[in-house]
Amino acid sequence: DAGVIQSPRHEVTEMGQEVTLRCKPISGHNSLFWYRQTMMRGLELLIYFNNNVPIDDSGMPEDRFSAKMPNASFSTLKIQPSEPRDSAVYFCASSFDRADQPQHFGDGTRLSIL
Amino acid sequence: QKEVEQNSGPLSVPEGAIASLNCTYSDRGSQSFFWYRQYSGKSPELIMSIYSNGDKEDGRFTAQLNKASQYVSLLIRDSQPSDSATYLCAVQGGTSYGKLTFGQGTILTVHP
Repeated sequence: DAGVIQSPRHEVTEMGQEVTLRCKPISGHNSLFWYRQTMMRGLELLIYFNNNVPIDDSGMPEDRFSAKMPNASFSTLKIQPSEPRDSAVYFCASSFDRADQPQHFGDGTRLSIL
Repeated sequence: QKEVEQNSGPLSVPEGAIASLNCTYSDRGSQSFFWYRQYSGKSPELIMSIYSNGDKEDGRFTAQLNKASQYVSLLIRDSQPSDSATYLCAVQGGTSYGKLTFGQGTILTVHP
């Protein structure tokens, strides 16, 4: 079975540009999570969805960040405008929405803002 | 107080030894507990889950849970250099849509 699929794997862009990260969750999973990981702050939960509805976006750092989940098989995380401090690895994970179900992570997108 | 805390590390053990990784959590309502392994430059990978008090063994890995003490641990027996990675403890509440709270991770190095 296919795991969580993220694209692109790497993104290098200049400050001020719009960045869009994409995620396809595991088929059948109804919860989707976006994380950011840096050396300084570790793994941070940005936002999560359940049945395509955003449940908690309190981890989104500021208005420059937005996330959507238009259907059960696709989600985007957008940064506009991007800044150098947004450089990090962004992970998408999905799971069933039951208390005993683990999350499964995609390979991540390594983002560098110059 | 952080919601999930792990022993700070880094932890260095010789090959063949037992590596012990510890985690405490603050939410007494937590029901599910997971250990993830993350190699450098890779994504977190689930290696163990535990839901009830006691021990759970899977190959060289043993997870231990004590809900009264709000403590969960991971033992790696016969440690191998390939076990060198960051280990993340993750805790899940009962009504969280699958949301996990992660510890900051413990870096384990197994030296030959």
